[in-house]
Amino acid sequence: DADVTQTPRNRITKTGKRIMLECSQTKGHDRMYWYRQDPGLGLRLIYYSFDVKDINKGEISDGYSVSRQAQAKFSLSLESAIPNQTALYFCATSDSRVLETQYFGPGTRLLVL
Amino acid sequence: SQELEQSPQSLIVQEGKNLTINCTSSKTLYGLYWYKQKYGEGLIFLMMLQKGGEEKSHEKITAKLDEKKQQSSLHITASQPSHAGIYLCGADIYTQGGSEKLVFGKGTKLTVNP
Repeated sequence: DADVTQTPRNRITKTGKRIMLECSQTKGHDRMYWYRQDPGLGLRLIYYSFDVKDINKGEISDGYSVSRQAQAKFSLSLESAIPNQTALYFCATSDSRVLETQYFGPGTRLLVL
Repeated sequence: SQELEQSPQSLIVQEGKNLTINCTSSKTLYGLYWYKQKYGEGLIFLMMLQKGGEEKSHEKITAKLDEKKQQSSLHITASQPSHAGIYLCGADIYTQGGSEKLVFGKGTKLTVNP
């Protein structure tokens, strides 16, 4: 079973709709992240959370919100989707107790029409 | 401005050839990560480098971090079609405020022709 899972894997939605992307991890890591990837721009950090009570804005948080429901779950919401939010979204986790790399989920491909 | 500059942006090589991808920063890097991504899939961790001058290898891929910890190179020897994908470097840097920040390069798209 994958350590970091994302649902849905693919989603098509319309402008103005609310959509939630979910991320779950079984690694027991305290830190979780949401990134988006656009062609030619690499990964950009949207939000990150160092524990359940800690939420931080990343580089491009406008238009997004997050919820850390539990240590293992971190969801990303688009309150009113717009076409330029079409992208590949990645969730990642890391363990602050050791110098360890981030583990990424498989990605969610979102298309906003 | 881009805090991690990756070059080249894309690379097409013939199978069996060696190649190098570079990742450069103007700031000291406290952790340098190399990832590989196949189109539409998640990122696969390749290597992490922390110490100046450190070098790590995995199969035919070698990554180095320079002594000043501001540049890393990823070298693939005798490339194969299975090496094709997008290679991303990521790094931990410290902001002026003293907080830790994770940044990524834009990626290098590698095509290996059989």
